Amino acid sequence: NAGVMQNPRHLVRRRGQEARLRCSPMKGHSHVYWYRQLPEEGLKFMVYLQKENIIDESGMPKERFSAEFPKEGPSILRIQQVVRGDSAAYFCASSPQQLRNEQFFGPGTRLTVL
Amino acid sequence: AQKITQTQPGMFVQEKEAVTLDCTYDTSDPSYGLFWYKQPSSGEMIFLIYQGSYDQQNATEGRYSLNFQKARKSANLVISASQLGDSAMYFCAMRAYNAGNMLTFGGGTRLMVKP
Repeated sequence: NAGVMQNPRHLVRRRGQEARLRCSPMKGHSHVYWYRQLPEEGLKFMVYLQKENIIDESGMPKERFSAEFPKEGPSILRIQQVVRGDSAAYFCASSPQQLRNEQFFGPGTRLTVL
Repeated sequence: AQKITQTQPGMFVQEKEAVTLDCTYDTSDPSYGLFWYKQPSSGEMIFLIYQGSYDQQNATEGRYSLNFQKARKSANLVISASQLGDSAMYFCAMRAYNAGNMLTFGGGTRLMVKP
């Protein structure tokens, strides 16, 4: 059973460009979460999605950030017009329908904005 | 709102000794779960151990145990017989089940194991 997959592992963008981060949850998992980790800090929740639905986006910045989890394909975290402050590690996690299980994390995407 | 506090930014431990990493939490939700994750220098997040708020016994997983003191709102991680490979960042996290499915993380503790 493959784990949570994220790609790319490293992404370099110039200011003003768009960044697209992909996450494929574990097989059988229908819940996806995105977290951001700034250097030397803990992870901060961004958004929680189920297939075709955003359940909780309370941690998402109001502008430039969006997320989706389509019926087919991976979940996408999209950052438009990136700025240097967006440089961080972005982690995706997934969990099965049972609410009390731990979340399984992907390896993360390290975004660097030049 | 949920809050996790890890007061030890960095710790040293001698190889083969036990070490305790502190974690305190705050929530008004009576139903919650507590988690510990390890983040080695390679960056991935590795799940270590889970404790539910209604669990009567402290959780154990191999060399990891969680010292759960509900009245004090603490969930300390104990690592027995430390190994060099235990050197990493350790994050305590919680999920309050009536407040959504997201995890709230502490700021982490960097553990360094000395040979």
